[in-house]
Amino acid sequence: GEEVAQTPKHLVRGEGQKAKLYCAPIKGHSYVFWYQQVLKNEFKFLISFQNENVFDETGMPKERFSAKCLPNSPCSLEIQATKLEDSAVYFCASSQSQGGGEQYFGPGTRLTVT
Amino acid sequence: KNQVEQSPQSLIILEGKNCTLQCNYTVSPFSNLRWYKQDTGRGPVSLTIMTFSENTKSNGRYTATLDADTKQSSLHITASQLSDSASYICVVFLSGNTPLVFGKGTRLSVIA
Repeated sequence: GEEVAQTPKHLVRGEGQKAKLYCAPIKGHSYVFWYQQVLKNEFKFLISFQNENVFDETGMPKERFSAKCLPNSPCSLEIQATKLEDSAVYFCASSQSQGGGEQYFGPGTRLTVT
Repeated sequence: KNQVEQSPQSLIILEGKNCTLQCNYTVSPFSNLRWYKQDTGRGPVSLTIMTFSENTKSNGRYTATLDADTKQSSLHITASQLSDSASYICVVFLSGNTPLVFGKGTRLSVIA
């Protein structure tokens, strides 16, 4: 597709439950990035992929967060045992190249942990 | 530490007026700087991209400037419209494969 698609738009989970977010990058883009935006503050980089391989995961919390980009499937970001502080909007972006390449953002998934 | 600071945090202007948003960065190694517009409930959309050697770049009513010596950038919006109401985010791309550095954004409200 010509736009980055993210599902669901909104997700509500009770504390301790699992949350799974999906991202379909623009067709032909090899790189996928996940960002977390808490309370309209600055974007925090989480992880990037080059095709199905993790490219940079320096922003990923060591516990509870995991992500995958499998061939012929949307990329996913999974949070095990959600906490209140995980409440945020999670954005996915895709790019034809890493580094200085233009990144195209999806509309985001708003996760609310209650 | 790589940082991007934006000012003001928020701004309210009358329709038709001009405004200027500021971005200061302490980032190395610098590759390029972009201004993004983020409408409420949407993902950011790129407005302009400035490389090290560029001083000014325009995109319709948006004009961005970059001073690489003082590490400052500005985004000037001319003849504002109600649809300009959004957050404007300054993002610095670093050389190599280092993740982007985002500012917190300026929340602009254009009122009739």
